[in-house]
Amino acid sequence: AQKVTQAQTEISVVEKEDVTLDCVYETRDTTYYLFWYKQPPSGELVFLIRRNSFDEQNEISGRYSWNFQKSTSSFNFTITASQVVDSAVYFCALGGSDSGAGSYQLTFGKGTKLSVIP
Amino acid sequence: EPEVTQTPSHQVTQMGQEVILRCVPISNHLYFYWYRQILGQKVEFLVSFYNNEISEKSEIFDDQFSVERPDGSNFTLKIRSTKLEDSAMYFCAGSGEQFFGPGTRLTVL
Repeated sequence: AQKVTQAQTEISVVEKEDVTLDCVYETRDTTYYLFWYKQPPSGELVFLIRRNSFDEQNEISGRYSWNFQKSTSSFNFTITASQVVDSAVYFCALGGSDSGAGSYQLTFGKGTKLSVIP
Repeated sequence: EPEVTQTPSHQVTQMGQEVILRCVPISNHLYFYWYRQILGQKVEFLVSFYNNEISEKSEIFDDQFSVERPDGSNFTLKIRSTKLEDSAMYFCAGSGEQFFGPGTRLTVL
């Protein structure tokens, strides 16, 4: 069975501070995918990144960066110079197929609510 | 850029009634998924669909639920006899990056 743990339930930072959201996962699959989604108050799930298990390179996209460490089963997300618009719930998710059926269902963490205070 | 669309955005129904939630996935996707999110909780997998049949389903997806792709474009989730605990946001997603639709908020009274 797959599991995603986001230990931080809520985080508050002051605007312009950097913040890191933690994600730890468990899987027996050798091939899997890791995702981050943003859920603003309006409720939609906004795709941020997908990373496959063979690609451990860190990624940067503007103020966002991701640190994938297979050795510790972690896929952490850092927002640099946070802004009020970053306030949302952020979900980490793990994609894999328990049955090997070819599709891969996502297992989500419980999410981290980020509040950026002006 | 192609988008996943879902209708309606909000559905209110009485307990025991049938509801059908609709999704139009991105056309070149092969796998389709339904997820649900009870208010304030995490997103949970319901079912995946490939080649006009269910590929995988979770324990949540019991006999009250069904999915189909009736016309090659729409992808529907039917709840036969809604219960209060079915109140949630329902998301449709497609294969690859698993872009999610905007969701349908289902409220069962």
